[in-house]
Amino acid sequence: GAVVSQHPSRVICKSGTSVKIECRSLDFQATTMFWYRQFPKQSLMLMATSNEGSKATYEQGVEKDKFLINHASLTLSTLTVTSAHPEDSSFYICSAGESRDLYEQYFGPGTRLTVT
Amino acid sequence: AQSVTQPDIHITVSEGASLELRCNYSYGATPYLFWYVQSPGQGLQLLLKYFSGDTLVQGIKGFEAEFKRSQSSFNLRKPSVHWSDAAEYFCAVGPTGGGNKLTFGTGTQLKVEL
Repeated sequence: GAVVSQHPSRVICKSGTSVKIECRSLDFQATTMFWYRQFPKQSLMLMATSNEGSKATYEQGVEKDKFLINHASLTLSTLTVTSAHPEDSSFYICSAGESRDLYEQYFGPGTRLTVT
Repeated sequence: AQSVTQPDIHITVSEGASLELRCNYSYGATPYLFWYVQSPGQGLQLLLKYFSGDTLVQGIKGFEAEFKRSQSSFNLRKPSVHWSDAAEYFCAVGPTGGGNKLTFGTGTQLKVEL
């Protein structure tokens, strides 16, 4: 099946710094990628949708200047958390979809971000 | 607005016993429904999906789900649970908000007793 990887799996950064998370589709071309945030014991909350070569579409309440998303190729999307603060600590999950089956998303293993 | 409710936060079953995880949705049209499983340190894996047609859907790992429009439900079932089924299970509905976005329930943590 389709495989999506994320790197790093865990990252600890200091408050005020920026951190980049990569999401890669390993064996298929992902025209659309999604970024989610998951709080403990809570559901996945969609942050943004990105289409290759286009600007990301952010969900209401998500700061686009804080969570920078780039989808420069059909196999790579990146999420950069800028000027991170402790409240940004969370589990970030990406997913990718092929254009021929838009409603099936393949999920990455997630990245645990801790901001100290 | 679309929403998904998974009433059970935690469920514990004995290995070999049957399992049913509940999912109720609120959606203004015919929904697309999904069940995903998440093991620790891993991404979500699609178990099964319902788009249309037969309301009883077969999935991977011996799981099945039944779409009941009258009850706005899409419960996940397995006749005999294995210890490896212990994981977090998410129900999702789509498309929501336009495009191909999904709305997820809060998840049900399944524990399997040996």
